[in-house]
Amino acid sequence: QQQVKQSPQSLIVQKGGIPIINCAYENTAFDYFPWYQQFPGKGPALLIAIRPDVSEKKEGRFTISFNKSAKQFSLHIMDSQPGDSATYFCAADNQGGKLIFGQGTELSVKP
Amino acid sequence: DVKVTQSSRYLVKRTGEKVFLECVQDMDHENMFWYRQDPGLGLRLIYFSYDVKMKEKGDIPEGYSVSREKKERFSLILESASTNQTSMYLCASGKGGYYEQYFGPGTRLTVT
Repeated sequence: QQQVKQSPQSLIVQKGGIPIINCAYENTAFDYFPWYQQFPGKGPALLIAIRPDVSEKKEGRFTISFNKSAKQFSLHIMDSQPGDSATYFCAADNQGGKLIFGQGTELSVKP
Repeated sequence: DVKVTQSSRYLVKRTGEKVFLECVQDMDHENMFWYRQDPGLGLRLIYFSYDVKMKEKGDIPEGYSVSREKKERFSLILESASTNQTSMYLCASGKGGYYEQYFGPGTRLTVT
């Protein structure tokens, strides 16, 4: 019940494509759903986050879509660039700051 | 700029050694966390702390302990290192009750 399941494990797209990463959760008590981005050799960093009472949030080329009834949320990257190549983690906030992370998606954007 | 620093980027230890991983944050954050990162398993929480001298077990605490004597410093201790503890270890800090965590660069630990 505490898990967050993320797919796919890896993703390769061409420059300009729209990669989509999906996550599913069980615990309805989660109160925030952040996404983190990790470049090689660095720690993850917060990219964008959404509350469960909002169906969509956009920040630049990054969009979170949230489906509360299905307990699913996804990250879309519009007009993807080679610089977006990184590992992406979805997460769910449990107990005010303690995060449950998904398994991670390694994204490669080819020029 | 928030800074979370970890004592080593790479560490090689022998089986049975006691290992200390140090983490320091400079933003006066209440929360501090230790994770391990393994391919296909994501980030798994080992221990976290909401305050000085306070600690709580995460999802995989076996074989680890922690210490938080000062607000800015959170140490992870491997009492007797084993080969299955070879991994990337990430420290993070965050404000109390808030979902944003700031991560250090990680320590890649190899136990031989």
